[in-house]
Amino acid sequence: EVQLVETGGGLVQPGRSLKLSCVASGFTFNNYWMSWTRQAPGKGLEWVASITNSGGSTYYPDSVKGRFTISRDNAQNTLYLQMNSLRSEDTATYYCTRDYYSYWGQGVMVTVSS
Amino acid sequence: DIQMTQSPSSMSASLGDRVTITCRASQDIGNYLSWFQQKPGKSPRRMIYGATNLAAGVPSRFSGSRSGSDYSLTISSLESEDMAIYYCLQSIQYPRTFGGGTKLELK
Repeated sequence: EVQLVETGGGLVQPGRSLKLSCVASGFTFNNYWMSWTRQAPGKGLEWVASITNSGGSTYYPDSVKGRFTISRDNAQNTLYLQMNSLRSEDTATYYCTRDYYSYWGQGVMVTVSS
Repeated sequence: DIQMTQSPSSMSASLGDRVTITCRASQDIGNYLSWFQQKPGKSPRRMIYGATNLAAGVPSRFSGSRSGSDYSLTISSLESEDMAIYYCLQSIQYPRTFGGGTKLELK
């Protein structure tokens, strides 16, 4: 059974950093591209970052480019999202997703507030 | 960026109704279109991929179709468990973009 379990969320002040993790199981992690998608409270879905199966290429929307970094450790079956210079508009539930959004984690809440 | 215009933003329907939700792409996306269902407090669930392919475990009353740049999700006979918000997503190019969502409620 495919499982994606996100951790690392919480309350953080504007301008600070936070790192999310997603531990994957039930499939061969290093065969799949992975992504992060977020959802602000009461709002729609927004793609945040994607990474190839080897980790050699990454992709971001302009809203987070230069502030967020997606990475992975294929030996540990873990996906990461390093979030720097956080803003109030980054407040959202962050989901870890497998290729083509076929599987989603349960989500982790990030609140950016002073 | 490719804009995905989803309509309607909300709708109400009765059990047994045929329901159709549409997304229009601002550029050619081929069949790189997926549909997701999200129930309150839950993670999204992929329902349709490749515009017309039913994801594993999804009931056969759900179907996807394409007419030019318009993509549709149809529920042939609405059931109570289908009440949710539905989103489309284009995955032909970055940035990936979602439609604004359609909230489906019981009449």
